Amino acid sequence: KAGVTQTPRYLIKTRGQQVTLSCSPISGHRSVSWYQQTPGQGLQFLFEYFSETQRNKGNFPGRFSGRQFSNSRSEMNVSTLELGDSALYLCASSLQGTNENIQYFGAGTRLSVL
Amino acid sequence: AQKITQTQPGMFVQEKEAVTLDCTYDTSDPSYGLFWYKQPSSGEMIFLIYQGSYDQQNATEGRYSLNFQKARKSANLVISASQLGDSAMYFCAMRERNTDKLIFGTGTRLQVFP
Repeated sequence: KAGVTQTPRYLIKTRGQQVTLSCSPISGHRSVSWYQQTPGQGLQFLFEYFSETQRNKGNFPGRFSGRQFSNSRSEMNVSTLELGDSALYLCASSLQGTNENIQYFGAGTRLSVL
Repeated sequence: AQKITQTQPGMFVQEKEAVTLDCTYDTSDPSYGLFWYKQPSSGEMIFLIYQGSYDQQNATEGRYSLNFQKARKSANLVISASQLGDSAMYFCAMRERNTDKLIFGTGTRLQVFP
């Protein structure tokens, strides 16, 4: 069974541009969450989607947005990029309906903003 | 508010020895889940082990075991017979009720030497 797939793996953008990151969950998983990881702030929750609906949102500005499609694939978008948006963006998927509800992560997209 | 604390920024252990990575948590919710993830330098977060707040026994997964002390709000990870490939960052995380949102600690960098 294929794991969580994130594309692209690496991305270089300049300030003011926008970027779209993609995440394909494990087959059968309907929940997708996104996290930002930086050396200064650590791992921070961005948002969570289930059945195309955003269920939870972290404390990030409106420049960060996401969506989920009917096949459970998810995208996140960051508009008007700032230097501080440079980070590793991790996507995780989970199979709802179990006590453990373990989240499985992809390899991440490393975004550099110049 | 829920919080995860990992007080060991770095740990060293000799190959084949056991090592304990500390994690304490804070929550007022009686129902929660605790997780440990491993993050090698490649960036991917690898799920290691899960402990539910109502689980009576400590979780074990191969060489990984979780020393769960509910009254002390601690969930330490024990790695037995360390291997060179265990060198990585290790994160303790807690999941809030009815959501997939994970709250992470700051991590512990484990280095295994021959």
